[in-house]
Amino acid sequence: EDKVVQSPLSLVVHEGDTVTLNCSYEVTNFRSLLWYKQEKKAPTFLFMLTSSGIEKKSGRLSSILDKKELFSILNITATQTGDSAVYLCAVGDMRFGAGTRLTVKP
Amino acid sequence: NAGVMQNPRHLVRRRGQEARLRCSPMKGHSHVYWYRQLPEEGLKFMVYLQKENIIDESGMPKERFSAEFPKEGPSILRIQQVVRGDSAAYFCASSSSPGHRYEQYFGPGTRLTVT
Repeated sequence: EDKVVQSPLSLVVHEGDTVTLNCSYEVTNFRSLLWYKQEKKAPTFLFMLTSSGIEKKSGRLSSILDKKELFSILNITATQTGDSAVYLCAVGDMRFGAGTRLTVKP
Repeated sequence: NAGVMQNPRHLVRRRGQEARLRCSPMKGHSHVYWYRQLPEEGLKFMVYLQKENIIDESGMPKERFSAEFPKEGPSILRIQQVVRGDSAAYFCASSSSPGHRYEQYFGPGTRLTVT
C-alpha cells in the first residue's frame, strides 16, 4: 500500500529561524512529489518535483527530491509569522501525508 | 480570473438527509478532483472526473457517495443518507489537462456538519 510520511507532525519556531520539513514515501507508481501550503482553508500549490537533486526555489522556500532514498525536504529560511500553516506533501496518485503544522512565533 | 469555486461553503445536514456539494473549476480547466479532509487529518483523494466521465474513483466509499461532472454546469459530489462520520471539509481541485494533473488548484472547500 502506498505510504507518505511527513515529519515532524508539528513544529514551533521563532521568526528568523530556518526550518526543514521532511516527506518520505513508498509508492508503486512514482511520477512526482508535490508540496502544498494549507492555511485556514484550501491548500495552495508550492512545488512539483520530478527529478532527483534539482532544487526548486521560490523566495525563501526551496525543496529537493531524492528518488534513491525516497524522500523530499522543504526548507524555509528566515521564517515569518505568515509562514504559519500546515505543509502537505503529496505523491503518486495524489496520496497526501498528514502534514506538518508549522507555527512561527514573533 | 476566478479560481476554483465551491458552494456552499458551509452545509449542515441531519443524519439521513442528502448533501450536495458543488464545484466549478477554474476557467479552462476540464479536470476535477474531490478530496475529503477529516478533522486533524490529511487530505484524502476521493474521485477524479473529466467532463461526463469518471476517470478514477478509487477513493470513493462504495455506498452513499457519488460524483458527476456534466457537460454543462458544475461538478457535484452527492452524499446520500449522511452519517456523523461524513462531517468533514470537502475540497475540490481542478487542472487544465491530464499532463498537468499534479498541478491542481484547490477551491476553498465545503465544510459539512452532520448533526
